[in-house]
Amino acid sequence: QQQVKQSPQSLIVQKGGISIINCAYENTAFDYFPWYQQFPGKGPALLIAIRPDVSEKKEGRFTISFNKSAKQFSLHIMDSQPGDSATYFCAAAGSGSSASKIIFGSGTRLSIRP
Amino acid sequence: NAGVTQTPKFRILKIGQSMTLQCTQDMNHNYMYWYRQDPGMGLKLIYYSVGAGITDKGEVPNGYNVSRSTTEDFPLRLELAAPSQTSVYFCASSYDPGIQPQHFGDGTRLSIL
Repeated sequence: QQQVKQSPQSLIVQKGGISIINCAYENTAFDYFPWYQQFPGKGPALLIAIRPDVSEKKEGRFTISFNKSAKQFSLHIMDSQPGDSATYFCAAAGSGSSASKIIFGSGTRLSIRP
Repeated sequence: NAGVTQTPKFRILKIGQSMTLQCTQDMNHNYMYWYRQDPGMGLKLIYYSVGAGITDKGEVPNGYNVSRSTTEDFPLRLELAAPSQTSVYFCASSYDPGIQPQHFGDGTRLSIL
């Protein structure tokens, strides 16, 4: 019940295309869903985050779509660029008494072909 | 702002040696975490702390110990290093992970030979 399942494990997209990464969670107590971007040799860094009271959040070329009833959320990268090549992690966390833990997906290695 | 600082950045240990990975944050965050990341894999939680003097085990605590004597520092101790502990170790902190994101250091790359 604590898992966050992320797919695909790796993804290759042509420059200018749309990259889509999907995540599914089980615990309905989760109420904060961040996405992290990690470049080689660096720690993960927050990319964008969403709460379940909205179905979509957009920041520039990055959009999170959230389906509360299906317990799924996805990251869409529009007009993908070579600089977007990185590993992406979805995560789920709960506030209040469950705030001590955040559950990460297994990661997606994204490569954007020029 | 320094954020989360980890030292050392790289280290090679011999089997059976011990060492402490240092982590300090200057954001006055109560929550701090240690993760390990094996090549091509995700993050596995080793230990976490919700405040000074309070620590708890994560998913993979065996072979590690932590302490949290101050809000700023959260060192990770490896006792009797084993080859299975070869990994990249990340420290992270957060005001409240259910509200705001975690801030990560740049990692310590540890090899046990």
